[in-house]
Amino acid sequence: QKEVEQNSGPLSVPEGAIASLNCTYSDRVSQSFFWYRQYSGKSPELIMSIYSNGDKEDGRFTAQLNKASQYVSLLIRDSQPSDSATYLCAVNPNDYKLSFGAGTTVTVRA
Amino acid sequence: DAGVTQSPTHLIKTRGQHVTLRCSPISGHKSVSWYQQVLGQGPQFIFQYYEKEERGRGNFPDRFSARQFPNYSSELNVNALLLGDSALYLCASSLGTGAGEQYFGPGTRLTVT
Repeated sequence: QKEVEQNSGPLSVPEGAIASLNCTYSDRVSQSFFWYRQYSGKSPELIMSIYSNGDKEDGRFTAQLNKASQYVSLLIRDSQPSDSATYLCAVNPNDYKLSFGAGTTVTVRA
Repeated sequence: DAGVTQSPTHLIKTRGQHVTLRCSPISGHKSVSWYQQVLGQGPQFIFQYYEKEERGRGNFPDRFSARQFPNYSSELNVNALLLGDSALYLCASSLGTGAGEQYFGPGTRLTVT
């Protein structure tokens, strides 16, 4: 079983719609959860971090965490063409490393 | 403030050679982590260093080694390069110990021929 699994893409959404990205993790002791955005040919950029159950909103992004279900999600509202990228879910199974999913590629079509 | 810097940007090496990659963390950050990312996959953890001490190592062979200097910059060394070592090598810095928010540098693209 992979440590972090993300729904396979690619995900294509029209401009202005909501993009919904899902992630599950296997290690129950994980306490910190992150979403990174990675444009093609670039390095990952941290866009959201979440540590407790519930929702966390930052601009057009909302992260949701459910530790009981070992599930993290990211919603992108009012999707823009500039949101077209690969989104990586990251989890810390211990106190020194991040484990990443393979990523979900999002394409926002005008 | 300057972000994480890495050098070189691109590198082409031959099988069997050795390579050294360099990273400078964000000013004030004391922890540096190294990751390997191959095409189509998420980054894979290689090492984390904090205050010059290795705090964790991923599932990589002993050909991979690293160190951190008193100014918190870091080097990743890979010996006896294999074709499979071709990847994007990412350095991430974080404020303190633990696996909190990590900020990535631009990466070094290594190609082994």
